[in-house]
Amino acid sequence: GENVEQHPSTLSVQEGDSAVIKCTYSDSASNYFPWYKQELGKRPQLIIDIRSNVGEKKDQRIAVTLNKTAKHFSLHITETQPEDSAVYFCAPEPSHIQGGKLIFGQGTELSVKP
Amino acid sequence: EPEVTQTPSHQVTQMGQEVILRCVPISNHLYFYWYRQILGQKVEFLVSFYNNEISEKSEIFDDQFSVERPDGSNFTLKIRSTKLEDSAMYFCASSLGQGELFFGSGTQLSVL
Repeated sequence: GENVEQHPSTLSVQEGDSAVIKCTYSDSASNYFPWYKQELGKRPQLIIDIRSNVGEKKDQRIAVTLNKTAKHFSLHITETQPEDSAVYFCAPEPSHIQGGKLIFGQGTELSVKP
Repeated sequence: EPEVTQTPSHQVTQMGQEVILRCVPISNHLYFYWYRQILGQKVEFLVSFYNNEISEKSEIFDDQFSVERPDGSNFTLKIRSTKLEDSAMYFCASSLGQGELFFGSGTQLSVL
């Protein structure tokens, strides 16, 4: 099955700094690469996603980059704010079937210090 | 904005008892999922469901687990004989099948 790994497991930054979280996956058939944010006690919520025909996607302070050859994709958050503090999960979809499951990484706990 | 709803938000049960967790997916979604998250750990896939049958299931989803869509709106997860290790947050999710999964707010199951 799909093997998904995230690094780092924890990340602490000062407000205004950038944060980068990397996700590696094993299934070369994966073609959908989302990042979810989970605040304490809440549900995971999609913050950005990318498909395999695109190398980079940006949405305001958040960007995702994809390297299909190396089988990894990264989340970039610029100008971090305290409200960015949460656990972030990558969750690549390991199959081409419609409605296929997502496999979550172990999560990265981001702390943004004011 | 439509959302996935789950009931109850908390469920406490005795080991060996049956529990049913309920979900109402977003109305025009066709694909339904159950995930679980043990405290402080990652979100783990249990099962996906489409067209009134299971599409895929994980090793966690053994014979003690079952899912059902009893009517046009509800999607349920049943655990026949709960074990201590079933204690977790259970998330229901739904999608249109184009990638994004929309998660409910979860049911915290505590098995005593």
